[in-house]
Amino acid sequence: SQQGEEDPQALSIQEGENATMNCSYKTSINNLQWYRQNSGRGLVHLILIRSNEREKHSGRLRVTLDTSKKSSSLLITASRAADTASYFCATEANFGNEKLTFGTGTRLTIIP
Amino acid sequence: DAMVIQNPRYQVTQFGKPVTLSCSQTLNHNVMYWYQQKSSQAPKLLFHYYDKDFNNEADTPDNFQSRRPNTSFCFLDIRSPGLGDAAMYLCATSGTAGETQYFGPGTRLLVL
Repeated sequence: SQQGEEDPQALSIQEGENATMNCSYKTSINNLQWYRQNSGRGLVHLILIRSNEREKHSGRLRVTLDTSKKSSSLLITASRAADTASYFCATEANFGNEKLTFGTGTRLTIIP
Repeated sequence: DAMVIQNPRYQVTQFGKPVTLSCSQTLNHNVMYWYQQKSSQAPKLLFHYYDKDFNNEADTPDNFQSRRPNTSFCFLDIRSPGLGDAAMYLCATSGTAGETQYFGPGTRLLVL
């Protein structure tokens, strides 16, 4: 399976703290994306980082990519209760198969 | 607002009774995807269309079929639903394969 893995599987932190989630993948990629999913809803795209980029920011989100280690991290700073959700990384392999491979996800709970 | 719409949001069917789930988009995207997601798992790609070209995943059961009559609409047909097909079904679109995907809210299927 080409599916990536995310670490940790579940994370609970106090509101205001920073949350870090990690993603590892198996194949060479064109890009890596992070998505958020609230319970029982569809996925929402958060950020896309290309294979030639090492770091990207969007508001309170910071994503890093290390292609030599085939890994990425998502940092959410100053967490809020509304950040409670599942977070998935997804990769597009560089052999052009037109699809994303999703990781196993991290369930983040922010405690008010 | 441009969006991806899925109907119905909840679908109850009987074991073996054919069911059709629908997806429509106002984004005018070339690519449409169908995913199956079971509880606490990553979305699993069933198939996707690049324009009219249909791409089936190798492990998608024959019980699942899809139609895309035009750019805006895509349907998922489950010919003989089994209890194991109960899941959330997610439709997504993308302007270009492998890039950001825009998800609908999902249809939760219950098989009795």
